[in-house]
Formats: sequence, structure tokens, C-alpha cells
Amino acid sequence: EVQLVESGGGLVQPGGSLRLSCVASGFSFSTQSMTWVRQAPGQGLEWVATMREDGSEKQYVDSVQGRFTISRDNAKNSLYLQLNNLRVEDTATYYCARGGQSRCDYWGQGTRVTVSS
Amino acid sequence: IQLTQSPPLLSASVGDRVTITCRASQGVGSSLAWYQQRPGRAPKLLIYAASTLQSGVPSRFSGSGSATEFTLTIGSLQPEDFATYYCQQLSVYPRSFGQGTKLEI
Repeated sequence: EVQLVESGGGLVQPGGSLRLSCVASGFSFSTQSMTWVRQAPGQGLEWVATMREDGSEKQYVDSVQGRFTISRDNAKNSLYLQLNNLRVEDTATYYCARGGQSRCDYWGQGTRVTVSS
Repeated sequence: IQLTQSPPLLSASVGDRVTITCRASQGVGSSLAWYQQRPGRAPKLLIYAASTLQSGVPSRFSGSGSATEFTLTIGSLQPEDFATYYCQQLSVYPRSFGQGTKLEI
């Protein structure tokens, strides 16, 4: 069974940092692109970043470029999102999803990030 | 690429057949997926490559279209289908989602 479990969310002040993690199981993690998607409270889905299976390509939405960094450790079946210089508008539930090239077929339950003073 | 879903809100009854439209500001070929999201839950993939049904998804869901116009059709609404539906293009970066269509009873 494919499982994706996110962690690392929390309350942080504007300008602060967080590192989100997503641990994968039930599939060959090292052969799959992985994606982060976020959803602000009461709003729609927003694609944040995608990383190729071998790390050869990383893509970001413009609003997080230069502030967020997607990374992975295939030996640990883990995907990460480093969030720096956080803004109030980054407040959202962050989902980890498998895929990103033709579809995102499995999603985690999400981790909530709140940016507030 | 901007994706515009219509309608934003759709009222229907159990047993109805409904269609949701997703229009892209530029052609995306067949690189379009549809997701269902129930309140408080993660999104669930329904359709990818515009018309391919994801494994385990009931056959009452179907997708069609190409280039700039796509549709998601639910053949006979069941109580568990009342949710919000999103389209996503995976043709170019940045990937983008439609704003969502809320399907309510």
C-alpha cells in the first residue's frame, strides 16, 4: 500500500523557517518524481514544486522561488521542503504527492503551516 | 497557463448526470488531470491524460477533451460524489490548477 506521511508543520513568525518532511512507503521511491502542493484555508489547490526522481530537475511556482527548496533522500524514502523567509500568505496545508509529470496519483494527509506574528 | 473551471458551484441530486468544464488559456495537449477533494481530506486522482480513469475509480467518472477544452462527467451521482473537483495541467511548468468546482446537493 502506498503511503505518504508529512510532518514538520507548525506556527512560525513572518521571516521564519520550517522544514517539511514526507516519508514514503509501499513503492519504489527512487523511481518517482515527487511534488508539493499547498492549500490556503478555504481556498483551492496551488502547485508549489516538483522534483525528478534523480534530482536532475527542480521546478517551483514563482511565488516561492528563492525562498523554498525541494530536496529528497532516496536512501531514506523521504522528500523535503525547506521554507525560508516565510510570509503570511504561505499559510496553508502542504501536501506531498507522488508524481508530477503526468499525474499526482497518491497524496499524503497534509501538514499545516501557519505564518503569523 | 490559466485554467478556468465552470461552473464554480453546481447543485445536483443523487442520480443526476453532471458535467464540469475546464478551459486552458493555452493548449496543453492531453496533459490534464482531474481530482476530487472531500472536506478535510487530501485530493484524490480521478482522471489523467484527459480521459484515462485512475485505477479503482468508479466507471461513472469519465473525462474528455484536448488542447484547451476538457470535461469531467459523472454519469449518475452518488452521495459520496458531493465534493470539490479540480483540474490540473501537467503540460508545462508552472503546473496549475483550476479554481475548483464545488458540487453540492
